[in-house]
Amino acid sequence: RKEVEQDPGPFNVPEGATVAFNCTYSNSASQSFFWYRQDCRKEPKLLMSVYSSGNEDGRFTAQLNRASQYISLLIRDSKLSDSATYLCVVNILTNAGKSTFGDGTTLTVKP
Amino acid sequence: GAGVSQSPSNKVTEKGKDVELRCDPISGHTALYWYRQRLGQGLEFLIYFQGNSAPDKSGLPSDRFSAERTGESVSTLTIQRTQQEDSAVYLCASSLVGTGVNNEQFFGPGTRLTVL
Repeated sequence: RKEVEQDPGPFNVPEGATVAFNCTYSNSASQSFFWYRQDCRKEPKLLMSVYSSGNEDGRFTAQLNRASQYISLLIRDSKLSDSATYLCVVNILTNAGKSTFGDGTTLTVKP
Repeated sequence: GAGVSQSPSNKVTEKGKDVELRCDPISGHTALYWYRQRLGQGLEFLIYFQGNSAPDKSGLPSDRFSAERTGESVSTLTIQRTQQEDSAVYLCASSLVGTGVNNEQFFGPGTRLTVL
């Protein structure tokens, strides 16, 4: 079983739709969590960190469920420009900070 | 300010040749990572440097792969006797610290390696 698992998709949604991605992690010692975005043929960039209390940044909401060991990303009112691959990242403190990336979920927003 | 830079941006080589890829991290970043990404696939961790600690080499796929970093500066990833399956984009990332909530990784643009 992979340490970090994501539904690869693709998710194809119309503009304005709300879409949610989940990411599960296997190591209960995981300490910090992030969502990155990767556009086609580009490098990944940080979208948002995920805090225990949940956090929101505009149309994006990230949540953490430690009991069930998953994090989620909700995108509201999706735009064409949201089309990308979304990568879930988990850090384990006891692993000297090494990050583990999920394989990503691909989102395509259509007009 | 300057981000992470990588060179070359593209490298085409013949099977069996050695290649060296370079990464210049953001100044002051103690942690440096190398990843491999094959076309249409996720990031594959290769190696991780954190300050002066021994690097985590657990992701290197074979002994043909090696990497070095001097202090908190430039890193080089060397692939010896390249094979066609080594064709991929090699991404370097650096972060201010290796642990905790502030270890956002900043990625370079990658080196696209093609082995003929």
